[in-house]
Amino acid sequence: KAGVTQTPRYLIKTRGQQVTLSCSPISGHRSVSWYQQTPGQGLQFLFEYFSETQRNKGNFPGRFSGRQFSNSRSEMNVSTLELGDSALYLCASSVIRTGGNSGELFFGEGSRLTVL
Amino acid sequence: QKEVEQNSGPLSVPEGAIASLNCTYSDRVSQSFFWYRQYSGKSPELIMSIYSNGDKEDGRFTAQLNKASQYVSLLIRDSQPSDSATYLCAVKKGYSTLTFGKGTMLLVSP
Repeated sequence: KAGVTQTPRYLIKTRGQQVTLSCSPISGHRSVSWYQQTPGQGLQFLFEYFSETQRNKGNFPGRFSGRQFSNSRSEMNVSTLELGDSALYLCASSVIRTGGNSGELFFGEGSRLTVL
Repeated sequence: QKEVEQNSGPLSVPEGAIASLNCTYSDRVSQSFFWYRQYSGKSPELIMSIYSNGDKEDGRFTAQLNKASQYVSLLIRDSQPSDSATYLCAVKKGYSTLTFGKGTMLLVSP
């Protein structure tokens, strides 16, 4: 069974640009969550989607957005990039149980974004 | 007060010893608790989940939950150098998603 696939793995952007990251969940997993990981802040929750609807949202500015497609694949977008957006962006998929995702997350390898 | 707190470490133990990793959480209505392991340069992977007070054992790993005191711990018996990693505690309540602690770095020396 294929794992969670994230693309691209590495990217370099300059301030003010925008970026789109993609995530393909494990087959059968309908929940997709996105996290930002930095050395100082650890894993911070961005948003969660299932059934093409945003179910939960973390405390990030509106420059961060996402969406989920009917095949459960998800994308996140960051507009007007800032230096502080440099981070590892992790996507995780999960099955759905009563109360939302099961909590048993399977992470992709991440997309490492560097903003210059 | 942070939602999920862990000592950042590093926690250093010799090979063969028991490593004890602790986590406290602030929200009493939290229902589900998880331990993830993250090797340097890799993404987190789930190693244990626990939902009820008490102990849950899986191989060399034992998760302990005490809801009254709002803490979760992970014991690793017979620690191996391959256990050297950052261990992330995560908490879930209701329909919300996981909230992670910042992790404890464990170093197991041969």
